[in-house]
Amino acid sequence: TQLLEQSPQFLSIQEGENLTVYCNSSSVFSSLQWYRQEPGEGPVLLVTVVTGGEVKKLKRLTFQFGDARKDSSLHITAAQPGDTGLYLCAGLNNAGNMLTFGGGTRLMVKP
Amino acid sequence: GAVVSQHPSRVICKSGTSVKIECRSLDFQATTMFWYRQFPKQSLMLMATSNEGSKATYEQGVEKDKFLINHASLTLSTLTVTSAHPEDSSFYICSARLGNENTIYFGEGSWLTVV
Repeated sequence: TQLLEQSPQFLSIQEGENLTVYCNSSSVFSSLQWYRQEPGEGPVLLVTVVTGGEVKKLKRLTFQFGDARKDSSLHITAAQPGDTGLYLCAGLNNAGNMLTFGGGTRLMVKP
Repeated sequence: GAVVSQHPSRVICKSGTSVKIECRSLDFQATTMFWYRQFPKQSLMLMATSNEGSKATYEQGVEKDKFLINHASLTLSTLTVTSAHPEDSSFYICSARLGNENTIYFGEGSWLTVV
């Protein structure tokens, strides 16, 4: 069974601060996706990282895939209240038939 | 981007009845679809994986006779909750894999309330 440990579980910060969310596993994934979910809605894909060591930027969000493809991080610069939400990482196995989710990070950015 | 649509978005049913939730990939063929259940303020829990034309693979602890999954075509998978009970009330989400690509797209989710 592949497991993804996501940390922190909860994060409450002030507008303008930076933060990093981590996802770690002992398993290798073919890809890792990051999602953001609003209450009562399905997860919305933010990014997919595939190559070990890959770094992708989406405005103030920076995503990194570990060299060994076992871990990933999401860094948000100058957080804004609009960034508030549940952030989920999910790893796809090599066979492509199982998507394992981390426990989620509930982020609140206060104005 | 690829779109996955779920229907209905909200459904209320009486205890003991069955309810069907549809998951459609609108602009791509999905060889693999996943069904998840999510409790309030928690992450997604995988229920089963379905591949078009074959039986679904259920996760441990998920009753396959209660949660019937049918993946009849490359664009449609259905989840039927049979003999529903109040404890089955939850947010159910489907997702679909675009061909052999690495990205999984999610539906909007379906709220089920069993009264």
